[in-house]
Amino acid sequence: KNQVEQSPQSLIILEGKNCTLQCNYTVSPFSNLRWYKQDTGRGPVSLTIMTFSENTKSNGRYTATLDADTKQSSLHITASQLSDSASYICVVSEWYSGGGADGLTFGKGTHLIIQP
Amino acid sequence: NAGVTQTPKFQVLKTGQSMTLQCAQDMNHNSMYWYRQDPGMGLRLIYYSASEGTTDKGEVPNGYNVSRLNKREFSLRLESAAPSQTSVYFCASKTGFSNQPQHFGDGTRLSIL
Repeated sequence: KNQVEQSPQSLIILEGKNCTLQCNYTVSPFSNLRWYKQDTGRGPVSLTIMTFSENTKSNGRYTATLDADTKQSSLHITASQLSDSASYICVVSEWYSGGGADGLTFGKGTHLIIQP
Repeated sequence: NAGVTQTPKFQVLKTGQSMTLQCAQDMNHNSMYWYRQDPGMGLRLIYYSASEGTTDKGEVPNGYNVSRLNKREFSLRLESAAPSQTSVYFCASKTGFSNQPQHFGDGTRLSIL
């Protein structure tokens, strides 16, 4: 069964500090991995997507890495801000022939709190 | 640019009542999805519609029905609500291209008493 495990479940850091969130997956065959940010009371919003051939991708202060050999990804947040407080969800897509449900497996998310 | 709009935002029902959750997107997307999100669990797919006129079951379809009314609208119906259906329901849409993201609405928070 395809699985996506995220760690830690929750994290509290001080404003201005850096942090790294982890995602391990067993999805096969692999197509892509996406990180979403979900603010409290809102729907998830895509931050970045990584395909098999990519190992680093940045979006402002967010940098995602992917090691397809070990099936691990991380999301690094630099110089955290209060607005970074949210849940971060790792979503892995299984390669499929087309149409259908996209073959997505969602992680449970990491709840990040930035304290002033 | 509204994106994906869900109504209502909040609803409280009694066990056995029925209701329909509405979802509309203005991005001309082909595919639409309904998920539920429960504490400590990842998003779980209830039903999806790969294109106008088609619907298929996802991971947790029991107790739900859907209608793809047109390309813009995809509704989720609870025929006889049960306390186990208390959850936050998210609608999402996406183009037909595999690497494009799903765009989510802000959810409907549903409590079944």
